[in-house]
Amino acid sequence: GENVEQHPSTLSVQEGDSAVIKCTYSDSASNYFPWYKQELGKRPQLIIDIRSNVGEKKDQRIAVTLNKTAKHFSLHITETQPEDSAVYFCAASNPPSGSARQLTFGSGTQLTVLP
Amino acid sequence: DTGVSQDPRHKITKRGQNVTFRCDPISEHNRLYWYRQTLGQGPEFLTYFQNEAQLEKSRLLSDRFSAERPKGSFSTLEIQRTEQGDSAMYLCASSSRDIGREKLFFGSGTQLSVL
Repeated sequence: GENVEQHPSTLSVQEGDSAVIKCTYSDSASNYFPWYKQELGKRPQLIIDIRSNVGEKKDQRIAVTLNKTAKHFSLHITETQPEDSAVYFCAASNPPSGSARQLTFGSGTQLTVLP
Repeated sequence: DTGVSQDPRHKITKRGQNVTFRCDPISEHNRLYWYRQTLGQGPEFLTYFQNEAQLEKSRLLSDRFSAERPKGSFSTLEIQRTEQGDSAMYLCASSSRDIGREKLFFGSGTQLSVL
């Protein structure tokens, strides 16, 4: 099955700096890669996603890049703010043919933005 | 809040007891998922419903676990003869083909503690 590895497990940045979180996946058939943000005690929330037919996607201060050849994708947050502090999870979707999509999640990155 | 709701938020039980959790998805979503999350890890897929049909189950779902979605609306997850290793956050999520069936909307989860 799919295996998703995420690095780093913890990341501290100064407010205003950029943060980058990286993930690798094992199954070349995976074709959907979302990122979820989970604040302490709250539900995971989708913040951005990318499909395998594009290499980059941006949404304001957040961007995701995908390298299918190397099987890795990254989350980039620019101009970080204290409210960006949370655990971020990457995921990859690897559906068996004709089946529903299930997500395999990474182990998470605790991002702390220091004021 | 018109999002995914789960009940109860917290459940403490003794080993060997049975527990049941409920999930109410977003009303127009026909797909419903159960995930399990342990501390410091990403969510792990347990099972998936499309309408009332349970279409996929993870190998993580032992025979002590059973899930139902009798009328294609709310779902229940029952764990029989609970074990300490069952302690985790149980997350429910729903999605809709109209907005992208892979885009999961999570509930706040049920935190299970087995003593």
